[in-house]
Amino acid sequence: GQQVMQIPQYQHVQEGEDFTTYCNSSTTLSNIQWYKQRPGGHPVFLIQLVKSGEVKKQKRLTFQFGEAKKNSSLHITATQTTDVGTYFCVFGAGNNRKLIWGLGTSLAVNP
Amino acid sequence: EAQVTQNPRYLITVTGKKLTVTCSQNMNHEYMSWYRQDPGLGLRQIYYSMNVEVTDKGDVPEGYKVSRKEKRNFPLILESPSPNQTSLYFCASSDRDYYEQYFGPGTRLTVT
Repeated sequence: GQQVMQIPQYQHVQEGEDFTTYCNSSTTLSNIQWYKQRPGGHPVFLIQLVKSGEVKKQKRLTFQFGEAKKNSSLHITATQTTDVGTYFCVFGAGNNRKLIWGLGTSLAVNP
Repeated sequence: EAQVTQNPRYLITVTGKKLTVTCSQNMNHEYMSWYRQDPGLGLRQIYYSMNVEVTDKGDVPEGYKVSRKEKRNFPLILESPSPNQTSLYFCASSDRDYYEQYFGPGTRLTVT
């Protein structure tokens, strides 16, 4: 079935360093969502991207959707310890009714 | 407060003993979904429901049943649990099928 590859699987940074996670698909996506899950918590919605080449910002977080709508990235500038968690990309399949999740990128931040 | 609730939060059971995990949302959402989360496998969708009496299989439906008799409730039923169903389960709801999903706190299930 449809899959999306998310890389890296893990990332360990010093506080203040930047962080980027990528999602890559072999097929064109209609849209993509990003979620964050803190350790021991549940996923929390961050953003949805719909348009080709779309860029959205939320404070230190920048989200991009590729021109071909086959890839997406989440970039965090100057990480803080509050950024710790796992970041997931999610896309819709089967007319968007079935949701497929990337395996996530776990971010650890050293203070 | 807008929320999705799940019960129980933790459950240890034995193989073959039927169980139900309840899920309820108070946001009048049409779309509801069940996921299981396993280390290294991410979140995988078990079943989803577009509205009352409308349910469909996700990626890993084997061994699970669901029902949607009321808009707010979407229980997950394991008729004959097996150890490979030991997992962390999340219920989620959203206004439409690809809108922002709101997640419950999770149910940690262990089947021995």
